[in-house]
Amino acid sequence: GAVVSQHPSWVICKSGTSVKIECRSLDFQATTMFWYRQFPKQSLMLMATSNEGSKATYEQGVEKDKFLINHASLTLSTLTVTSAHPEDSSFYICSARGGISTDTQYFGPGTRLTVL
Amino acid sequence: ELKVEQNPLFLSMQEGKNYTIYCNYSTTSDRLYWYRQDPGKSLESLFVLLSNGAVKQEGRLMASLDTKARLSTLHITAAVHDLSATYFCAVHKAAGNKLTFGGGTRVLVKP
Repeated sequence: GAVVSQHPSWVICKSGTSVKIECRSLDFQATTMFWYRQFPKQSLMLMATSNEGSKATYEQGVEKDKFLINHASLTLSTLTVTSAHPEDSSFYICSARGGISTDTQYFGPGTRLTVL
Repeated sequence: ELKVEQNPLFLSMQEGKNYTIYCNYSTTSDRLYWYRQDPGKSLESLFVLLSNGAVKQEGRLMASLDTKARLSTLHITAAVHDLSATYFCAVHKAAGNKLTFGGGTRVLVKP
């Protein structure tokens, strides 16, 4: 149980385009989802926290107009990187919290974004 | 602001020997997690430590927590090649209800 999926697992796009990444909780309802970014050989940095049906809370320094987060249902959150640039290339990982263990975050497999 | 520091950042291990990774954090916390990450993969949960003096063991890995010192350790016993990975600690703070990760320790076990 407590499986979180992400789609796509990797994506390559041209500079200036927008990319949408999906995060789904497959067997539980996720009241809260988190989006992290990880640059090569670095740690995970929390970008934003989203609660179903409400606006996401962004961490300091994260541009909310560039990284659009939607948490429209209890099983799906999306992160859209708008007007992507090469410096946005990174590994994006989502996690979800909910179900029986409301204290635990279950991590998705990650999405590698490369912007050319 | 909560800060989480791990050391060392890199650990070259010899098979069969014992090693320890340290995780220090700056403010009180109600939970501490240890994760493993293989290259190109997401996080695998290893342990969650909830209280002072908590100790958990799984195979060759043992984690402990000293909340008074704000220190957790991950001890590796008789290292084997399969343990090569990057290990992260993460601290949960009730206020804000989110995780703050340490910088990670990259472990390479050489035969």
